[in-house]
Amino acid sequence: QLQLQESGPGLVKPSETLSLTCTVSGYSISSNIYYWGWIRQPPGKGLEWIGTVHYRGNTYDNPSLKSRVTISVDTSKNQFSLKLTSVTAADTAVYYCAVTHGYNGSPWDAFHIWGQGTMVTVSS
Amino acid sequence: QSALTQPASVSGSPGQSITISCTGTSSDIGGYNYVSWFQQHPGKAPKLLIFDVTYRPSGVSNRFSGSKSGNTASLTISGLQATDEADYFCSSYTSSNTRVFGGGTKLTV
Repeated sequence: QLQLQESGPGLVKPSETLSLTCTVSGYSISSNIYYWGWIRQPPGKGLEWIGTVHYRGNTYDNPSLKSRVTISVDTSKNQFSLKLTSVTAADTAVYYCAVTHGYNGSPWDAFHIWGQGTMVTVSS
Repeated sequence: QSALTQPASVSGSPGQSITISCTGTSSDIGGYNYVSWFQQHPGKAPKLLIFDVTYRPSGVSNRFSGSKSGNTASLTISGLQATDEADYFCSSYTSSNTRVFGGGTKLTV
């Protein structure tokens, strides 16, 4: 059974880089039909898509984050990662990793399985 | 990119049916069938209810159904139960090669 688990620091200082990892268990990340993504949710607010990656390296990200985002895959560890640079208090949120359902084999398939989420606070 | 528009809240009584709307544009909901709906209970991760406008993942109750007309997608929940009380989010692919979510709707039962 495919499961996802986020990990990383819960506190990041302003202007520094937020780094999170999502560990995939129960399935190989090297799947042609699945795409892996990051979504965040500020406290009390809605969901915001951050970006999506395929194990072959194709990436798609939210232009509203102004090129601060890097998403990558490590097939040897069955993990994918998020780096968000120059963080501010506005980046404080619960960060989720997720995988598409693969129905169409498209990066735009719905996110089907989600991690439990990890809270990241940006503060000095 | 602008978030899709959802009502902030809806309410219903047990056994009734309710519909939550999600309004976008011809560049997202109106132009593509990559519309999905999620349920989120407090402190939990979102759960996929509907994908590709009308399809339910295995294990999701058939009390949940999705539809689309023009630039507006809808989620209907029939036979409301107390456990349906949660936040609901819609999502769509956009012509800018991005994904956008709605602001969320709080359902009170």
